[in-house]
Amino acid sequence: GAVVSQHPSWVICKSGTSVKIECRSLDFQATTMFWYRQFPKQSLMLMATSNEGSKATYEQGVEKDKFLINHASLTLSTLTVTSAHPEDSSFYICSPKVGGGIDTQYFGPGTRLTVL
Amino acid sequence: QKEVEQNSGPLSVPEGAIASLNCTYSDRGSQSFFWYRQYSGKSPELIMFIYSNGDKEDGRFTAQLNKASQYVSLLIRDSQPSDSATYLCAVNTGGGADGLTFGKGTHLIIQP
Repeated sequence: GAVVSQHPSWVICKSGTSVKIECRSLDFQATTMFWYRQFPKQSLMLMATSNEGSKATYEQGVEKDKFLINHASLTLSTLTVTSAHPEDSSFYICSPKVGGGIDTQYFGPGTRLTVL
Repeated sequence: QKEVEQNSGPLSVPEGAIASLNCTYSDRGSQSFFWYRQYSGKSPELIMFIYSNGDKEDGRFTAQLNKASQYVSLLIRDSQPSDSATYLCAVNTGGGADGLTFGKGTHLIIQP
């Protein structure tokens, strides 16, 4: 399977600060990146889809100005949570799309964000 | 709106028995179906995917798909305590072009 890394694996920050999460595909190139979040005891919810070099597409209810996504290269995508608040505390997981097949939905190890 | 439904459980199964996990979906346009296993605090691991009606076997796991009934299931044979986890069903309508819609997962407990 594809090797995906996320950094940091966990972060604690104060309310009002911004946090950047990096997602790297280590052994392949990802033209598309999906970002998900998972609240405690809930399932994964798709936040946004980004294509390399293009603006991200956000799901309904996800604020694009709050969750900034940059997919500047085929191996790196970043998610920045701006002016974070306690309700943004969640598990953020990236999922790069490998190639064009359907068996390519792998996930990064996730980043646990806690906003105090 | 796309919906994926799973019984949240917990589903308790004795070690060595067959665990049966079920999932229904609302969007008839769904084309591919995935089963993931998620341990507490970890990200999901892909178990298998299926996109044609019928059964697909991979080791101890068998996925079953019935598009007419909008139903997909996962069977785990010879259940082991290490299989204890939350199992997530996910569907995709675009053959991989779109992100996945997940169910809330079934918490499976394998009793030694």
